[in-house]
Amino acid sequence: QSALTQPPSASGSPGQSVTISCTGTSSDIGGYQYVSWYQQHPGKAPKLMIYEVTKRPSGVPDRFSGSKSGNTASLTVSGLQAEDEADYYCSSFVGSNIVVFGGGTKLTVL
Amino acid sequence: EVQLGESGGGLVQPGGSLRLSCAASGFTFSSHWMHWVRQAPGKGLVWVSRIRTDGKYTDYADSVKGRFTISRDNAKNTLYLQMNSLRAEDTAVYYCARASSAPTMDYWGQGTLVTVSS
Repeated sequence: QSALTQPPSASGSPGQSVTISCTGTSSDIGGYQYVSWYQQHPGKAPKLMIYEVTKRPSGVPDRFSGSKSGNTASLTVSGLQAEDEADYYCSSFVGSNIVVFGGGTKLTVL
Repeated sequence: EVQLGESGGGLVQPGGSLRLSCAASGFTFSSHWMHWVRQAPGKGLVWVSRIRTDGKYTDYADSVKGRFTISRDNAKNTLYLQMNSLRAEDTAVYYCARASSAPTMDYWGQGTLVTVSS
């Protein structure tokens, strides 16, 4: 049950795009279409931003998009805004019916 | 409006027990898998456990297997986490979360803090 690998930090200026990666293995990200991304502001509960690799829940801006290639999933935030500054976590379904999260990426809007 | 509210956290000595509750409202509780996820202070999210809609199937992270028990009362719209043999490393905010599809958590509670310390 090793955590998925995310960069600890990412940054971009307002209006720019930034992509956060999430690397796993063929037993998790590479094996299933169940990758999710969560946004967490300090002191708040996580919020679902992307599910099943590319799908966006109702109410999530279309500036947020997800993709996957092999064992690596990615979250792209386009047109960065100040309120996008938060921690972002990926997660994946794993064999043996468990869920694993990434270590989290702190996104800073410069 | 979907609402999840955790309770039952607090300070407990190593080796002790605690039962967390998660009260659900605003949706058909019995139709959704439910999860517990924890977050140690200043650390990332860690999945703990999940339970099927009828309560008859459960999964656990290796770190809590044999010590924690997830359960639910669909008549009371409440999810539980019984935590036994608690260790210092179990110190965390514990979140309950609703599953839209089995591994996807679409709504989260605000969390309850569990501190294991002597």
